[in-house]
Amino acid sequence: DTGVSQDPRHKITKRGQNVTFRCDPISEHNRLYWYRQTLGQGPEFLTYFQNEAQLEKSRLLSDRFSAERPKGSFSTLEIQRTEQGDSAMYLCASSPRDRLYEQYFGPGTRLTVT
Amino acid sequence: KNEVEQSPQNLTAQEGEFITINCSYSVGISALHWLQQHPGGGIVSLFMLSSGKKKHGRLIATINIQEKHSSLHITASHPRDSAVYICAVAIFYGQNFVFGPGTRLSVLP
Repeated sequence: DTGVSQDPRHKITKRGQNVTFRCDPISEHNRLYWYRQTLGQGPEFLTYFQNEAQLEKSRLLSDRFSAERPKGSFSTLEIQRTEQGDSAMYLCASSPRDRLYEQYFGPGTRLTVT
Repeated sequence: KNEVEQSPQNLTAQEGEFITINCSYSVGISALHWLQQHPGGGIVSLFMLSSGKKKHGRLIATINIQEKHSSLHITASHPRDSAVYICAVAIFYGQNFVFGPGTRLSVLP
């Protein structure tokens, strides 16, 4: 396994711009999670996929946020019309189908909105 | 009240000291994770517990399901242990985790 990867690792954008992040889970992991972590806080759940189906979304995921996992492999998280409050670390994690409640985290994408 | 709380928030120790970080939670859980996060953001899972005690090298994790409490112990601490340690719980019937705020540990040489 090569681990969970995320791209980019850092993104600086101006307020109002759209950004898209990518997560590649460990191969054959059927569950994929997105979390957001602000400075000094623990991660907060955003959304969760089982294969290509988005099964749960947090109320933190406003209508400016959208996530996809079109083929049940990699996932993208898009933020439209970014705001300064969107500045955070965006973490992705994946879980294997046969070991419930295990999560493997990616390195995160740090977003700074200026 | 947060569903997952940790204490202390910050901890500074001298190299070699025995360290304990506590986690308490208020919901029914299926499992509890201890995670380590170094500066730069990457998170590594140290332990997953549903009962009892686990040991890996200098790290020991315990959980008391009845008391809804878990502890992470580090023996013979080393500066490379400096990181944020996060407790995360998998809630019954839920498909996601709830995370504690983290404990920032600094081990001084």
